[in-house]
Amino acid sequence: AQSVTQLDSHVSVSEGTPVLLRCNYSSSYSPSLFWYVQHPNKGLQLLLKYTSAATLVKGINGFEAEFKKSETSFHLTKPSAHMSDAAEYFCVVSDPSLSGNTPLVFGKGTRLSVIA
Amino acid sequence: SAVISQKPSRDICQRGTSLTIQCQVDSQVTMMFWYRQQPGQSLTLIATANQGSEATYESGFVIDKFPISRPNLTFSTLTVSNMSPEDSSIYLCSVEKGLGTEAFFGQGTRLTVV
Repeated sequence: AQSVTQLDSHVSVSEGTPVLLRCNYSSSYSPSLFWYVQHPNKGLQLLLKYTSAATLVKGINGFEAEFKKSETSFHLTKPSAHMSDAAEYFCVVSDPSLSGNTPLVFGKGTRLSVIA
Repeated sequence: SAVISQKPSRDICQRGTSLTIQCQVDSQVTMMFWYRQQPGQSLTLIATANQGSEATYESGFVIDKFPISRPNLTFSTLTVSNMSPEDSSIYLCSVEKGLGTEAFFGQGTRLTVV
């Protein structure tokens, strides 16, 4: 079965410093992986996705993530945090090879706080 | 891509009543999903609604409590029946253009049951 573990429920960084949000997954051979962001009182927005192409994926707003199969990780990074990055971030795994009706599995989320 | 309009955006309801949430998509999609996000929690899949078939519910969710309609390829409704304060959550509609591809979400319906 698929699963996603977001290792930190809350991360706090200073504005201008790097961001690292950690995600480990459990899935079959070639999963699809996503990072979504949820700003307060807003819907979910896709930041980036990995679907078996390049292992380093660049997304919107300067975020990127690297798929490391050997470590079963898909950590999200950004070189320099901005105040507007403060939000809830969800790591999501999908295994297209599975049948059934649960294509997406969400991590519990990491709340990112950015301090001025 | 897909643009999803979800209504209402929020509501405060009395316990014992029911609320129907509407989800309208700007293009035809086969797979539509309904999620619940309880306060401070992640998303939990309630059910999958594919046009032309009965909705498929995840463990812990039943049709009597969360009846779903899917009359066509662009529209779906979720009803939260006989509400209690424990049903206070954000309910989100989602669509995918293909299994394992990007999911698009509505803005969500913030439900408070008093």
